[in-house]
Amino acid sequence: AQKITQTQPGMFVQEKEAVTLDCTYDTSDPSYGLFWYKQPSSGEMIFLIYQGSYDQQNATEGRYSLNFQKARKSANLVISASQLGDSAMYFCAMREGEGDSSYKLIFGSGTRLLVRP
Amino acid sequence: DGGITQSPKYLFRKEGQNVTLSCEQNLNHDAMYWYRQDPGQGLRLIYYSQIVNDFQKGDIAEGYSVSREKKESFPLTVTSAQKNPTAFYLCASSIDLFGFKGGLGEQYFGPGTRLTVT
Repeated sequence: AQKITQTQPGMFVQEKEAVTLDCTYDTSDPSYGLFWYKQPSSGEMIFLIYQGSYDQQNATEGRYSLNFQKARKSANLVISASQLGDSAMYFCAMREGEGDSSYKLIFGSGTRLLVRP
Repeated sequence: DGGITQSPKYLFRKEGQNVTLSCEQNLNHDAMYWYRQDPGQGLRLIYYSQIVNDFQKGDIAEGYSVSREKKESFPLTVTSAQKNPTAFYLCASSIDLFGFKGGLGEQYFGPGTRLTVT
């Protein structure tokens, strides 16, 4: 079974509107972290936001926020007031547990976001 | 400015040749990683290193080799044994492997090297 699922291969959003990128995850470990990365056409991966499994509040970083629904195992990224520069691939990733494999970031297949002017 | 550099940006090789991709970081991070990305897919872990002179295989290590002789450097060699080497290769680093030194465990990435083997 896939650990990280991003069901939207591509999304369009109008400039200045908000958009939600979906991410669901699968883990039995009570301790985990969820990350979102942005990959523009240049290729590098840019860290956007983090949510820990024990965090009581949803993470926010500027225009990025994370809609964390633990019971549903979802960690959707919300981008408010979209800008043309937000057009990129977005990857959700998970780091599990505190054991020997806790170094691993497991990535989803990504969502390509295109912001329309 | 602290960061991760990868060179070259684009690399072309003939089938059967070994090729080495460089990765340098000046973030003073202990842990370093190599990932492979194929079109339309996420990242897959090739190798990782916790400290100097130590490295471990990731999920798709066959046909690749690495070294970690200096903290700042983690070169990846794509050998002729790698059956499908054409891909985008990303190097990353983090403060440490398991988060013992604090931080969120986030990894910082270089700009990547696009390797084409014909």
